[in-house]
Amino acid sequence: SQQGEEDPQALSIQEGENATMNCSYKTSINNLQWYRQNSGRGLVHLILIRSNEREKHSGRLRVTLDTSKKSSSLLITASRAADTASYFCATGSNYGQNIVFGPGTRLSVLP
Amino acid sequence: NAGVTQTPKFQVLKTGQSMTLQCAQDMNHEYMSWYRQDPGMGLRLIHYSVGAGITDQGEVPNGYNVSRSTTEDFPLRLLSAAPSQTSVYFCASSYPGLGTSTDTQYFGPGTRLTVL
Repeated sequence: SQQGEEDPQALSIQEGENATMNCSYKTSINNLQWYRQNSGRGLVHLILIRSNEREKHSGRLRVTLDTSKKSSSLLITASRAADTASYFCATGSNYGQNIVFGPGTRLSVLP
Repeated sequence: NAGVTQTPKFQVLKTGQSMTLQCAQDMNHEYMSWYRQDPGMGLRLIHYSVGAGITDQGEVPNGYNVSRSTTEDFPLRLLSAAPSQTSVYFCASSYPGLGTSTDTQYFGPGTRLTVL
């Protein structure tokens, strides 16, 4: 069963706007990761946030983690057409065990 | 570094055929894994390995075998292909670092498999 669930499933915005995607999970985690996947391409790791962190920034990306609500959000600021992709969250538990991905959010940034 | 490489990129099989998907990494990562991605399903873990000689099952291991004879290579074998195994397969690797958290994963470009 999948632990991570992204919301919304699809998001369409204009270039320059901010995009926010959410991820919810069910059990305890050690870390949560966000990935991007362009159509027909492999996954690209974006950012990892550990369970003892609440917020993390990387360039135009801002990730928050609320372990009490078992949820995370990914904010992309000043979006660009090149940000069009599917975004996945993945939860990691103990080393060597399942890393579970959600179904993803399809982001379309219109020029 | 080449990172994580996968071959082939595309493959078409007939039901009942067997084949091996190759995965290699040159980053000296201990942890390697195989996922399959189906439309609307996200990624599901098939098998993983925490080091040479050690493998374990993931979420959907049936119909697949793996081995890890070296740190660099982690092949995935389909024993008797079925149409339900039509999917995109991704190999990934990571270096565990300190502690017990699973750290950043690096993914290969994927293999698109069609079973007729």
